Amino acid sequence: GAVVSQHPSWVICKSGTSVKIECRSLDFQATTMFWYRQFPKQSLMLMATSNEGSKATYEQGVEKDKFLINHASLTLSTLTVTSAHPEDSSFYICSAREGQGWTEAFFGQGTRLTVV
Amino acid sequence: AQRVTQPEKLLSVFKGAPVELKCNYSYSGSPELFWYVQYSRQRLQLLLRHISRESIKGFTADLNKGETSFHLKKPFAQEEDSAMYYCALEGFNKFYFGSGTKLNVKP
Repeated sequence: GAVVSQHPSWVICKSGTSVKIECRSLDFQATTMFWYRQFPKQSLMLMATSNEGSKATYEQGVEKDKFLINHASLTLSTLTVTSAHPEDSSFYICSAREGQGWTEAFFGQGTRLTVV
Repeated sequence: AQRVTQPEKLLSVFKGAPVELKCNYSYSGSPELFWYVQYSRQRLQLLLRHISRESIKGFTADLNKGETSFHLKKPFAQEEDSAMYYCALEGFNKFYFGSGTKLNVKP
């Protein structure tokens, strides 16, 4: 299957700083990318959906000014956690698909963010 | 509102025994249902989707619209099936996941 790569795999940052997570589709053009957050032993919670070249659509309760998503090209989307706080510590996962509907979404390996 | 429910957090069976991982959903439209699997230290990957009606690694899942269920079944579990299984629903180009069921197949 197609490959989606996330970088970094883990990051530790200080409170108040911003952290950027990259999600790349390596061998296909990702029309749509999804960002999820996963708490320990819980499900993946959809944060936002982004289509290349347009603004991301955020799920209810997700602060768009806190979690900045950019999908500037068909192979790259970034999630920036601004002014991070310890409660933002979590596992962030992206997935990407080519086209919309009926096509498989491929997942990145995830990024473990720890805010100290 | 859309919701995917997996009632079992952990399911332990012996090798060769039948397995059924339950999934129920609520959605106002016509969803696409999926099962994703995550093996130890690996990323999430698609196991099967209802529209393709295929059997992957011996697993099958039937969409029951009357019961709003999409249970995952395998007649004879193998040790290599031990993993985390997530049921997911797609609607309007968004994916929603259940909380996952950890399957442990004992030798």
